[in-house]
Amino acid sequence: GAVVSQHPSWVICKSGTSVKIECRSLDFQATTMFWYRQFPKQSLMLMATSNEGSKATYEQGVEKDKFLINHASLTLSTLTVTSAHPEDSSFYICSAVQGDAAYTEAFFGQGTRLTVV
Amino acid sequence: GQNIDQPTEMTATEGAIVQINCTYQTSGFNGLFWYQQHAGEAPTFLSYNVLDGLEEKGRFSSFLSRSKGYSYLLLKELQMKDSASYLCAVVDSNYQLIWGAGTKLIIKP
Repeated sequence: GAVVSQHPSWVICKSGTSVKIECRSLDFQATTMFWYRQFPKQSLMLMATSNEGSKATYEQGVEKDKFLINHASLTLSTLTVTSAHPEDSSFYICSAVQGDAAYTEAFFGQGTRLTVV
Repeated sequence: GQNIDQPTEMTATEGAIVQINCTYQTSGFNGLFWYQQHAGEAPTFLSYNVLDGLEEKGRFSSFLSRSKGYSYLLLKELQMKDSASYLCAVVDSNYQLIWGAGTKLIIKP
């Protein structure tokens, strides 16, 4: 299957700093990428949908100024957690959908475990 | 509102068969996914159903009944490595994925 690479796998940062997470589709063009957050023992929660070349669409309750998403190319989307706080500590996962199909399988990155101290 | 229901936790014995159910109420339907997620890892794709019936793939099978808003994932010949969470997700009319909370499957020797 298609490969989505997410980097870094884990990161520890100090409260108040910013962290950037990258999501790359390695062998296909991803017109749409999704960013999820997962707290322990809970379901995946969609944060935002990002389409190449346009602004991301954020889910209700997700602060767009805090979670900056950039989808500058068909193979790269980034999520920047700005002014991180301990409550932002979570598992962040990206997924990408290939091409223009109405809907196809979503390929997931490996996830990034963020710990804010 | 949109809702996906799955049992929170199930226990089964190595070598046995287990069925994980998923019921859904969503605004429209454009397919249903099953994903497996081991602790601390991202989900991995297991199956996709959009038409009624049973899809078999090795030890795993997935069934869908659109009229009943119901799906199940069937795991045969259980192995210890099958211990994981199994997530049901439905694609709604806006092609958004609606996720269930997942079923934690515990396999005992």
